[in-house]
This record gives sequence, structure tokens and C-alpha cells, in this order.
Amino acid sequence: AQSVTQLGSHVSVSEGALVLLRCNYSSSVPPYLFWYVQYPNQGLQLLLKYTSAATLVKGINGFEAEFKKSETSFHLTKPSAHMSDAAEYFCAVSKGNDMRFGAGTRLTVKP
Amino acid sequence: DADVTQTPRNRITKTGKRIMLECSQTKGHDRMYWYRQDPGLGLRLIYYSFDVKDINKGEISDGYSVSRQAQAKFSLSLESAIPNQTALYFCATEGGSGSRTGELFFGEGSRLTVL
Repeated sequence: AQSVTQLGSHVSVSEGALVLLRCNYSSSVPPYLFWYVQYPNQGLQLLLKYTSAATLVKGINGFEAEFKKSETSFHLTKPSAHMSDAAEYFCAVSKGNDMRFGAGTRLTVKP
Repeated sequence: DADVTQTPRNRITKTGKRIMLECSQTKGHDRMYWYRQDPGLGLRLIYYSFDVKDINKGEISDGYSVSRQAQAKFSLSLESAIPNQTALYFCATEGGSGSRTGELFFGEGSRLTVL
């Protein structure tokens, strides 16, 4: 069975600093990979998706993620954090009908 | 109006009570899901339905049941609620008819507290 591990349940950065949220997956074959974001009191919404095309995937709000097969990673980055990026971020892996979410990483952005 | 609407948004109930959480969608998607979110555990799949006549158990279906009343409606029931079912519940839809796209559209969640 596939699974997702998000390293760090909480990440804090200063406004304007680099955001790096880590995600590693385990899957016997290349999966589809996703990052979702959950703002306070809202449901999750899709940030970006990897489907075996380009390894560097660009998403909404300036986020991007790079698929690295050798490292089984799909880390999420943003060059410059904004206060509005404060939220919880979930990595997810999908293969066939099975889709699994990571435990989530809460991002705090300090002024 | 939201594309995926959940009711109620908040509910407090007592152990042993029957609870129904409702979900309706205007996205026209055939696939619908119920997830449970607990702190530190992410989202776990309870049940899913790929069309009106299709119901499937997810990872954690024990203690839950579902009904797909129409393409647009998918309800989750707790027949006899217990405290460890206290959680935030999400309904989601997914477009497509072949392989899964993984692109889920979520409701705003239903927070359930069982005392």
C-alpha cells in the first residue's frame, strides 16, 4: 500500500522567507502526487498536481513542487512567504482508486 | 453558493444517538467521498461512491454508513455515535469517469462532537 510522510507538523517562517514543506511517498510504481491547502474553517483545495509530465509542477499562489523519483520526494516550495500563506498543507498520493493523505503541516508566517 | 455544501456545519450530540451528515453538490460529479480529519492524522477515507448505484467502504468504515440518494447527494450516518467519532468530517467530489484524477473538491466540513 502506498503512503505519504510529511516531515514536520509545524513550520514557521518569516514573511518574505523561503517556504519549504517536505513530503516523501512510498509507492511501488510512480504515483500521482498532490498538494492541498486548508485555510482556517475551510475545506481543502488543490494547490498543484504531478501526473508524470514535467517533474517541476507550478501551482496557484506562487507555489511549486518538484518530483524526485530517486528521493521519493515531492517537496513544496515558495520563494517568498506571504501572511496569507498561513494554513495547513497536505501532501497526497494516488494510484488507481487508492488515495492517501499525509498528516499535514501547519505553516505559520511571522510578520 | 458553494459547489459542495455540508449540513450541519457543527453538531454536538450524546453517546448512542444517531447522527446524519448531509452533502450536496452542484458540480455534476459522479464521484463522492466522505473523509474524517483528526489532528495529526490527516484525512482518512470513510466511504466513497462512484455513481448512484455504487457504494464502497474506505479505510475506516466501521461505525458509519452512507446513502447516495441522487447524483448530487451523499449522506453519512453514525448509527450509534461514540466519543471517538468526534472529528471534522469532509465531503468531497471528483470529476472524471475513468481513472481517478485525484482532484477533489471539498465542502467546508462538519464538526461533530460526541459527548
